[in-house]
Amino acid sequence: GENVEQHPSTLSVQEGDSAVIKCTYSDSASNYFPWYKQELGKRPQLIIDIRSNVGEKKDQRIAVTLNKTAKHFSLHITETQPEDSAVYFCAASGNTDKLIFGTGTRLQVFP
Amino acid sequence: EAGVAQSPRYKIIEKRQSVAFWCNPISGHATLYWYQQILGQGPKLLIQFQNNGVVDDSQLPKDRFSAERLKGVDSTLKIQPAKLEDSAVYLCASSLWSGTGAFFGPGTRLTVL
Repeated sequence: GENVEQHPSTLSVQEGDSAVIKCTYSDSASNYFPWYKQELGKRPQLIIDIRSNVGEKKDQRIAVTLNKTAKHFSLHITETQPEDSAVYFCAASGNTDKLIFGTGTRLQVFP
Repeated sequence: EAGVAQSPRYKIIEKRQSVAFWCNPISGHATLYWYQQILGQGPKLLIQFQNNGVVDDSQLPKDRFSAERLKGVDSTLKIQPAKLEDSAVYLCASSLWSGTGAFFGPGTRLTVL
């Protein structure tokens, strides 16, 4: 079945630095890739998404890139701030329309 | 626009008891998801509905879990009988249709003693 792998599981950066989280997916028919941010004790919040007909999408300090050939997609956060600290999940949806989540990356931004 | 509503927010039961969770999706959203999130893990898809039809329930432990979305709007998820390993947050989400952004409710935190 479909599988989404996410790396790293934890990531610590200094405030102002960039953070990159990577995901790979197994289903070559996957065509929709959202990213979620989950703060402690709260629900996952959709922060950005990308479709398979686009290679890159940007929204202020966050961007997502997609490499369909390699079945990779990545989240890039620039100029990180302490409030970016959270767990980030990638997800993928494909032919079967199931929305499958990765295992999460705990991002800590130190002031 | 109102978000996804879930109730109850918290539930504590003993093993072998039964429990039910309710979800009301965002108005007009055809797709409804139930996820199980165990502490420290990513959300695991239990069942996905498109209107009142099931898109996928391959990860739903059907010997104890059941879910329905009879009129294509509200949904209920039931566990009977509960086991200790069912302790988790049960998240409901909805999207306009499959393959679009899903929006989550606040979740129900279930503790099985």
